[in-house]
Amino acid sequence: DVKVTQSSRYLVKRTGEKVFLECVQDMDHENMFWYRQDPGLGLRLIYFSYDVKMKEKGDIPEGYSVSREKKERFSLILESASTNQTSMYLCASSLGTSGAQETQYFGPGTRLLVL
Amino acid sequence: RKEVEQDPGPFNVPEGATVAFNCTYSNSASQSFFWYRQDCRKEPKLLMSVYSSGNEDGRFTAQLNRASQYISLLIRDSKLSDSATYLCFGSSNTGKLIFGQGTTLQVKP
Repeated sequence: DVKVTQSSRYLVKRTGEKVFLECVQDMDHENMFWYRQDPGLGLRLIYFSYDVKMKEKGDIPEGYSVSREKKERFSLILESASTNQTSMYLCASSLGTSGAQETQYFGPGTRLLVL
Repeated sequence: RKEVEQDPGPFNVPEGATVAFNCTYSNSASQSFFWYRQDCRKEPKLLMSVYSSGNEDGRFTAQLNRASQYISLLIRDSKLSDSATYLCFGSSNTGKLIFGQGTTLQVKP
């Protein structure tokens, strides 16, 4: 069974703080993703990674950076948190890039509140 | 136009009803499609893949219409436990990955 874990379920930070969101998957998946989910906007892709030390911008990368030093771990960094980054953050992983291998498995999510 | 569009609903149906959702996509290069289910305050989970030949799993049927660029999900004999948000997901051969914003289903007793 694929397991994707996220470091925190709930997080409260202040404007301007640096925020780290950690994601770990235990199935040796190649691909990892960070999304944010907001009411009425659905899931929006922030960044993704197809390999260690590799990253690609998604649709809304501004204000975020990522790090993938190890295959199983993908970190999302908010360099200077702002109130408009209050959201639900979801990490996902997938085995490959074609057909059924593209199935994404999600972590439980982190609800971030920036005050 | 959004790359993947869904009617957000909510769709309110009685138990036992048949309900169908569509998801339209604009990128003709899109190759793989999936339906995910998301319960309130939970993460999305894969419901089923969508194959060109159609895919059926119990009460659920997923279909792909490439000519009209949409995928569909049909739920027969709706149960209260089917109440959730259903997300479609598509990917293209350029690596573009897109989720729809989701369709909310409420099944009433």
